[in-house]
Amino acid sequence: KNQVEQSPQSLIILEGKNCTLQCNYTVSPFSNLRWYKQDTGRGPVSLTIMTFSENTKSNGRYTATLDADTKQSSLHITASQLSDSASYICVVSGRAGGTSYGKLTFGQGTILTVHP
Amino acid sequence: NAGVMQNPRHLVRRRGQEARLRCSPMKGHSHVYWYRQLPEEGLKFMVYLQKENIIDESGMPKERFSAEFPKEGPSILRIQQVVRGDSAAYFCASSPGQGPSYEQYFGPGTRLTVT
Repeated sequence: KNQVEQSPQSLIILEGKNCTLQCNYTVSPFSNLRWYKQDTGRGPVSLTIMTFSENTKSNGRYTATLDADTKQSSLHITASQLSDSASYICVVSGRAGGTSYGKLTFGQGTILTVHP
Repeated sequence: NAGVMQNPRHLVRRRGQEARLRCSPMKGHSHVYWYRQLPEEGLKFMVYLQKENIIDESGMPKERFSAEFPKEGPSILRIQQVVRGDSAAYFCASSPGQGPSYEQYFGPGTRLTVT
């Protein structure tokens, strides 16, 4: 069964600090892994997308890593800001059996709260 | 280029009524996906449509739920005879192509409350 597990479930940090969120997946076949940010009451917004051959990808203060052998990914946030408070969702795209489109499997998300 | 539009943003229905959720994809996108997010849970795939075709509805409940994406107009997710368990946020996403490398852009969601 395709699954995406994230840890921790929630995290509280002080403004300016760094943090790392974890993601383990069992989706097969694997096409790519994405990290999304979802603000309360809004739709998810893409932060990074990595294919099998990519180990790391940055987007401003966000850096994602991928180890396709161990099927693990992390999202590192540096110099956190109050606006980083949101749910961060790990999403894996795998080819749905017999089709050519990428079916997304979502993790539960890590709720990050940044305090001043 | 406007993003993915969903309406209404909030919808309240009594048990047994019908709910219609609309999604207008981004301009130039002909691929639409519907997802459901139950309280305290992650998003779950429901259905994938292209213009006038349902490509994959494996995540859609067999009864009461239907989806369409007509040649003209928005995609519609229809829930008949709603029950309390249908209360959730329903998100629509669109993409310009079919392959797994294409980005999916999400709308703001419709929050359905069944009383």
